[in-house]
Amino acid sequence: DGGITQSPKYLFRKEGQNVTLSCEQNLNHDAMYWYRQDPGQGLRLIYYSQIVNDFQKGDIAEGYSVSREKKESFPLTVTSAQKNPTAFYLCASSWGQGAGDEQYFGPGTRLTVT
Amino acid sequence: AQSVTQLDSQVPVFEEAPVELRCNYSSSVSVYLFWYVQYPNQGLQLLLKYLSGSTLVKGINGFEAEFNKSQTSFHLRKPSVHISDTAEYFCAVQSISGGYNKLIFGAGTRLAVHP
Repeated sequence: DGGITQSPKYLFRKEGQNVTLSCEQNLNHDAMYWYRQDPGQGLRLIYYSQIVNDFQKGDIAEGYSVSREKKESFPLTVTSAQKNPTAFYLCASSWGQGAGDEQYFGPGTRLTVT
Repeated sequence: AQSVTQLDSQVPVFEEAPVELRCNYSSSVSVYLFWYVQYPNQGLQLLLKYLSGSTLVKGINGFEAEFNKSQTSFHLRKPSVHISDTAEYFCAVQSISGGYNKLIFGAGTRLAVHP
């Protein structure tokens, strides 16, 4: 079955710790994305990557970092510099080309920082 | 810059009643529009998309949407809803800039179907 996996589904961390969220896809998509979802605010783009070894900041990149060393993997690190890290994080992928480029979403990781 | 406004944050409706979820967009370039659905604690699933051609677009689960260029709207409709349609619905516009494709999402509309 092709798709996107995110692990773990729930993650708990203490304030001041960095944490890495996993995202893997076996759809052979070139582009991958990370979104943050907060109640009443929809999805906000954190980072995106069109090809391996390249990525761009989205609208709310501060306090986050990513890497894209392999086509199928796009891990997101939430650093201690992120002021409000508690949120639902969604990873997505797409072919990355042209009009109507549909994004496919993973099941999400809910991060709670206390 | 492109943006999306979903006019209702919550829409309560009784089972088997019709429903319309409203979406307005702003864009200075060609528009590609999407509706996604999110069930509780899950990722998003594509319902339908408009690229060009017929302004009435049919999607999965009996949903359809109408693109109206003069009113810059892309409202989602279903003639008869089921309890299982209870979910959050997101309208999105595609932004293509410098060779990069991005989706810009609205804040979402929570549809609550009551028996």
